[in-house]
Amino acid sequence: NAGVTQTPKFRILKIGQSMTLQCTQDMNHNYMYWYRQDPGMGLKLIYYSVGAGITDKGEVPNGYNVSRSTTEDFPLRLELAAPSQTSVYFCASSLALTGQNQPQHFGDGTRLSIL
Amino acid sequence: DAKTTQPNSMESNEEEPVHLPCNHSTISGTDYIHWYRQLPSQGPEYVIHGLTSNVNNRMASLAIAEDRKSSTLILHRATLRDAAVYYCILISDQGAQKLVFGQGTRLTINP
Repeated sequence: NAGVTQTPKFRILKIGQSMTLQCTQDMNHNYMYWYRQDPGMGLKLIYYSVGAGITDKGEVPNGYNVSRSTTEDFPLRLELAAPSQTSVYFCASSLALTGQNQPQHFGDGTRLSIL
Repeated sequence: DAKTTQPNSMESNEEEPVHLPCNHSTISGTDYIHWYRQLPSQGPEYVIHGLTSNVNNRMASLAIAEDRKSSTLILHRATLRDAAVYYCILISDQGAQKLVFGQGTRLTINP
């Protein structure tokens, strides 16, 4: 079972470069999320999506963009990389059922360094 | 989102039970109590969740106080693999069910 797959696992960028972090899930989940985790800290929500074509900002959206053209994919784009975006990025997904809480399933993360 | 309070760290011995506390005095009626854990260099992993009644699954048990202002995650027989940071998170059943992570409790298991 693939679950949530993130690519790449590691990346080093120069300041000002751009890149897209890929996230795909094969569980037909309608909710998807992007989090970042700085060293020694808990995760913070960057963006989320409740379905194809619908995205919304989380706690720390500045410097990032997302799109959700399909149920399976939720890429995260960094347009102008800055050292403050050095972090580990996690993608997650969950199934929305009316009146029920469902667990989020996380990918293995992308370790990104901006130098 | 309602706030939770957890001890920064706890320590236990292998094969002994572990009780991880969480206070959430401002919990609302629609908030579920979720527990996730994060092993070193991995993404968070769902452990268990509940609303009012105690819950059991293959990983752990969740004991919820009658007034719902606190809860306890119980690992019945800790193994070295249970060493992780454990997060107690409140999630409303309304909206996108976003997770708000605090600092969590770093659990150390001694052999």
